[in-house]
Order: sequence, then structure tokens, then C-alpha cells
Amino acid sequence: EAGVVQSPRYKIIEKKQPVAFWCNPISGHNTLYWYLQNLGQGPELLIRYENEEAVDDSQLPKDRFSAERLKGVDSTLKIQPAELGDSAVYLCASSLDSDNEQFFGPGTRLTVL
Amino acid sequence: LAKTTQPISMDSYEGQEVNITCSHNNIATNDYITWYQQFPSQGPRFIIQGYKTKVTNEVASLFIPADRKSSTLSLPRVSLSDTAVYYCLVGPVGYSSASKIIFGSGTRLSIRP
Repeated sequence: EAGVVQSPRYKIIEKKQPVAFWCNPISGHNTLYWYLQNLGQGPELLIRYENEEAVDDSQLPKDRFSAERLKGVDSTLKIQPAELGDSAVYLCASSLDSDNEQFFGPGTRLTVL
Repeated sequence: LAKTTQPISMDSYEGQEVNITCSHNNIATNDYITWYQQFPSQGPRFIIQGYKTKVTNEVASLFIPADRKSSTLSLPRVSLSDTAVYYCLVGPVGYSSASKIIFGSGTRLSIRP
């Protein structure tokens, strides 16, 4: 069974540029999560989806970050414009529902120059 | 919000039992305790989850006292491949827009030959 797929794995951009990350969760998983992980720290939840509904986005900086999960499957996280402090690893995870364990993808390492 | 506190790092030797304790004084009634393992350049991986008393699987045991204000992850007979960061996660069961999933700061476990 394929795991959570994320792309790209690495992205380098200049500040003020837009960037988008894509996540394909495990088939059949209703819950999808986006996390941000800074070096040496634990993942921080940005947004959680139950199917196509964003049920927890309190930590998403909505002035520059946006996310969508059309049709309740794949999801895209966007940053526009990117700032130097956005350099981090962006992790996507999915679970059958919010009661079950999360399966994480390998993450996208973003470097903003 | 149920914040967690873990030791920053621990060292042990192959074949030893390792116990990592997590404090979560403000755990809510519907919160579960989950532990994840993370290797460099990978997303976290689920190890074990529990609500109270003791849970055991093929990888680890989780001990939770009656007051649930702390928990201990026990890894029996560790090997070099257990060197990783271990996160204590306290979060709700089921849909809850008022709750927030929080990863701890993580414990960096180093296993020596």
C-alpha cells in the first residue's frame, strides 16, 4: 500500500515568491493534516481536514497561507508571498479519521532565500 | 490546551530498556496520548497510543497513571536503529473544532553500541 505522497521534496525560492506544496493521502483516509516543522522542533499543526472541510485552521497564518482539499482527496498548501521565516519542512499526514493514527509523508523542505 | 514536556535528550546502550516520560498536566478528558518516532529526513511514525493504564504492542509499552498527567514510553531491548526523536502527542478523540493537536518538544534518543 502506497504511503502519503508529497511533492516536491525540496524547494528553494526567493522571498516574496509564491510556492505550493502537494499532498496525496493514503487512499480511503478521510482526515488530512498539514504540519510545519522547524529544525530541532516538533511538528506544529497548520490545518486539519475532515474530508473537504477544514475543521481546525486556527494556526494557519491566513494572510499568506492558504490550503484546499478539493473532492476530499489531494490537498495543496500555498504560501504567497513567502518570507525568510517560512523556511522549514512542511509535512502532510493522513488518517482514516481523527480517531486513528496519523501516517506522515516525507515532507517538503522549503528554503526561502 | 494540553501542553507536553519531555526530556530534551537521553542516551542508552544496545540491549537496555529505555523509558521516556512525558508530562501533560492539562490533559483533557477526551485526549489520547500518542507517541511518534522520527528519523532524520522522514516524517514521524506512529508507535503507540493509549488512554489510561497500560498499552503494549510489538514495539513498545505505554504506561499511564490514573491521573493521566504523565505517561511513560518503554522501549524494551533497544538497538542502534532506535536512535531517533520521540514525540509525545496529546490530542482529542473525534471531531472537535475547539481542540488542538500538539506535539511535544521531542526527546532525542541516542543508542550506543
